[in-house]
Amino acid sequence: GNSVTQMEGPVTLSEEAFLTINCTYTATGYPSLFWYVQYPGEGLQLLLKATKADDKGSNKGFEATYRKETTSFHLEKGSVQVSDSAVYFCALSNQAGTALIFGKGTTLSVSS
Amino acid sequence: EAGVAQSPRYKIIEKRQSVAFWCNPISGHATLYWYQQILGQGPKLLIQFQNNGVVDDSQLPKDRFSAERLKGVDSTLKIQPAKLEDSAVYLCASSTDGQVVYEQYFGPGTRLTVT
Repeated sequence: GNSVTQMEGPVTLSEEAFLTINCTYTATGYPSLFWYVQYPGEGLQLLLKATKADDKGSNKGFEATYRKETTSFHLEKGSVQVSDSAVYFCALSNQAGTALIFGKGTTLSVSS
Repeated sequence: EAGVAQSPRYKIIEKRQSVAFWCNPISGHATLYWYQQILGQGPKLLIQFQNNGVVDDSQLPKDRFSAERLKGVDSTLKIQPAKLEDSAVYLCASSTDGQVVYEQYFGPGTRLTVT
């Protein structure tokens, strides 16, 4: 079946450090891939997305590239800020209009 | 544009009691989803509606959970009777079919604690 695996957290970084959160997936066909972020006390927000192989999604300094050969969609940011502290979820959708399948989430904590 | 609205934000009940959650999706969004997010896990689909019809309820524990979406707009999710393992955040999301990739927009969630 379809599934998403994320690296275990928490990830603790100092401000301006480089961030990588690993995400791999198992799916049939050609899923769309997403990163969602959940700030403390708030709902899930779409951070970025990619719909086909080699697409790069980007937003707010975050990037992720859809790698079909390694079935991966790793999240990266060159310089994190304290305000990036949140829980990050990798997700896939096998077909437009169907439910998202989420990973377990990775907690990021950034200190100044 | 107003986002997805949910109420209540928090609810504490005893096991075997009943509880209901309400969701109002973004105006014009045909598809509505209810997800359950247990602490430390990612959200998991409970039920999906397209307008007022059920598209997928394969993971809904139908012996205790029920949901409806009257008139294809807002929706109610009910649990009766509640169990301790139902403690979770219940998320409502909506999407429109006017895009190539159907992005889902999430509400703030209802945090349920069953004691």
